[in-house]
Amino acid sequence: GAGVSQTPSNKVTEKGKYVELRCDPISGHTALYWYRQSLGQGPEFLIYFQGTGAADDSGLPNDRFFAVRPEGSVSTLKIQRTERGDSAVYLCASSSSGTYNEQFFGPGTRLTVL
Amino acid sequence: QKEVEQNSGPLSVPEGAIASLNCTYSDRGSQSFFWYRQYSGKSPELIMSIYSNGDKEDGRFTAQLNKASQYVSLLIRDSQPSDSATYLCAVRALGNQGGKLIFGQGTELSVKP
Repeated sequence: GAGVSQTPSNKVTEKGKYVELRCDPISGHTALYWYRQSLGQGPEFLIYFQGTGAADDSGLPNDRFFAVRPEGSVSTLKIQRTERGDSAVYLCASSSSGTYNEQFFGPGTRLTVL
Repeated sequence: QKEVEQNSGPLSVPEGAIASLNCTYSDRGSQSFFWYRQYSGKSPELIMSIYSNGDKEDGRFTAQLNKASQYVSLLIRDSQPSDSATYLCAVRALGNQGGKLIFGQGTELSVKP
């Protein structure tokens, strides 16, 4: 079946602009996660949705970052007033509910802030 | 101290050898452990999960977990050049923080023909 999809695959923007990154999880997966990965580092957790609600947003670095999942499926990560330090690969993962929580990643969106 | 630690490598092994990748974690109560493989320019791909002490084998891969020592490892037997990638260890956080994963920085593996 189809895996996690993310759009766009690449996004180049200018400092101060607003961007939206989209994630479409595996069909039937109730949990959705956003991570951010910088070069040479492991993915860093941002936010986790269970259904429509954000169950844990402790990884969002500041109030410029916001994410929604209004219908419990597709999610959008929104970044306001982008800064050069926001440049990274933004990864989305999804998992089914349950104890083992195996997370499957999408291809990522590479964000470059000039 | 980082929550999940891995040697960054690179770890270089000859083709056909056993590659041994190691990971330690700080949260003694962690219950779920994962190994992801990440090729350059690609996203992480889940290759193994382990939840109980001991060994879990899947093809050429064996994950080993020792909760008392807070240590998890991945063995790759008969290493192939196609195994050359970065291997990420991930630990599932507990409690009301839900299912987020804490990742190590990854170990780069190079398998030489």
